Amino acid sequence: DAGVIQSPRHEVTEMGQEVTLRCKPISGHNSLFWYRQTMMRGLELLIYFNNNVPIDDSGMPEDRFSAKMPNASFSTLKIQPSEPRDSAVYFCATQRGARDNEQFFGPGTRLTVL
Amino acid sequence: DAKTTQPNSMESNEEEPVHLPCNHSTISGTDYIHWYRQLPSQGPEYVIHGLTSNVNNRMASLAIAEDRKSSTLILHRATLRDAAVYYCILRDVRRGGGSNYKLTFGKGTLLTVNP
Repeated sequence: DAGVIQSPRHEVTEMGQEVTLRCKPISGHNSLFWYRQTMMRGLELLIYFNNNVPIDDSGMPEDRFSAKMPNASFSTLKIQPSEPRDSAVYFCATQRGARDNEQFFGPGTRLTVL
Repeated sequence: DAKTTQPNSMESNEEEPVHLPCNHSTISGTDYIHWYRQLPSQGPEYVIHGLTSNVNNRMASLAIAEDRKSSTLILHRATLRDAAVYYCILRDVRRGGGSNYKLTFGKGTLLTVNP
């Protein structure tokens, strides 16, 4: 298995532009998580899906952020409009079932908003 | 959420054992102890987890104190590839609901391995 696939790996954009980050989970994994990592705040959970349904979005910072999981093999995290403070590494992680112990993380997308 | 306390950094020599401590004095009876590590420029990866008994796998061993208020991750022979930030995380995977599946990452311990 290729593991969790994220694209793009790097994104540089200007303030105000829309940014879309993509994640392909490991086949058969029913739970999907989006995390954000910055030097100041460390790793923090943004949103959690189970069976394609958003279960916990309490970590989504504001309305500029939205996430979707239209099917079991694809998820997006969108920022519109983007701001410099959104610059971070965004990780997608998946696990087989809601009660599984091991989360598998993707390589991350490094976002820079100028 | 129950919190964990880890040293900010530790240093080891290659091929020597490393003991990474974690304090979790407010752990509840249903909290599992998880360890993840993050190598430079990579996403975190699972290392090991346990509840009460000591655990071994191909990557490491986990020693859990009898009162469960602390635990130690043991790397038996450190290699340069083990240089990473190690996170100790408490997680209750028994109950339903979204927040119980969170991995709440602290600052972790930065392990440096000297050749």
